[in-house]
Amino acid sequence: DTAVSQTPKYLVTQMGNDKSIKCEQNLGHDTMYWYKQDSKKFLKIMFSYNNKELIINETVPNRFSPKSPDKAHLNLHINSLELGDSAVYFCASSSYIDQGKNTEAFFGQGTRLTVV
Amino acid sequence: DAKTTQPPSMDCAEGRAANLPCNHSTISGNEYVYWYRQIHSQGPQYIIHGLKNNETNEMASLIITEDRKSSTLILPHATLRDTAVYYCIVRTYTGYSTLTFGKGTMLLVSP
Repeated sequence: DTAVSQTPKYLVTQMGNDKSIKCEQNLGHDTMYWYKQDSKKFLKIMFSYNNKELIINETVPNRFSPKSPDKAHLNLHINSLELGDSAVYFCASSSYIDQGKNTEAFFGQGTRLTVV
Repeated sequence: DAKTTQPPSMDCAEGRAANLPCNHSTISGNEYVYWYRQIHSQGPQYIIHGLKNNETNEMASLIITEDRKSSTLILPHATLRDTAVYYCIVRTYTGYSTLTFGKGTMLLVSP
């Protein structure tokens, strides 16, 4: 079974459209993340949720809106897509366990978004 | 910004040990050293982490210097499938924190 799964794997869309990327983890983790990897291959954190609550929001345009319906899901909705949004988006999860310790993070396989 | 410095690329012959260095001279006492790798077109994969003692698991060994200012990831018998970008990351083990990725080291394992 896939630990962290994202859908779709590929997404091609026109500028101005609204799209969503879904992420699910079956690891029982309580913390989930979205990362963006641009054309230069830099991986940058976008959001972090713990128990469905937003913990980290790293200067991401408000066109990006994460939604966590439950601990196992963290979806990313993007409004008014722009050319610069083209990138690979990775979902990840980890646990924030006893005494506030973070476990290692597991990543999904990524969603390659192309805005044309 | 990433707090680590790694060589941009390294080569290794298949079957030989790959030793990937990382400098983290500003590491704090509550920060661990994590290693992840990203094989082409895949998501990053956790390898190993440590605080100050050397660590070993089924994938690799991590050697951390006594002053904790640098570390080395060792893949004892590199295979072609180990070709990937390897990221050395320092991260607080406690409290909410994320992984801050730098540019990593592109390891090319050749036959």
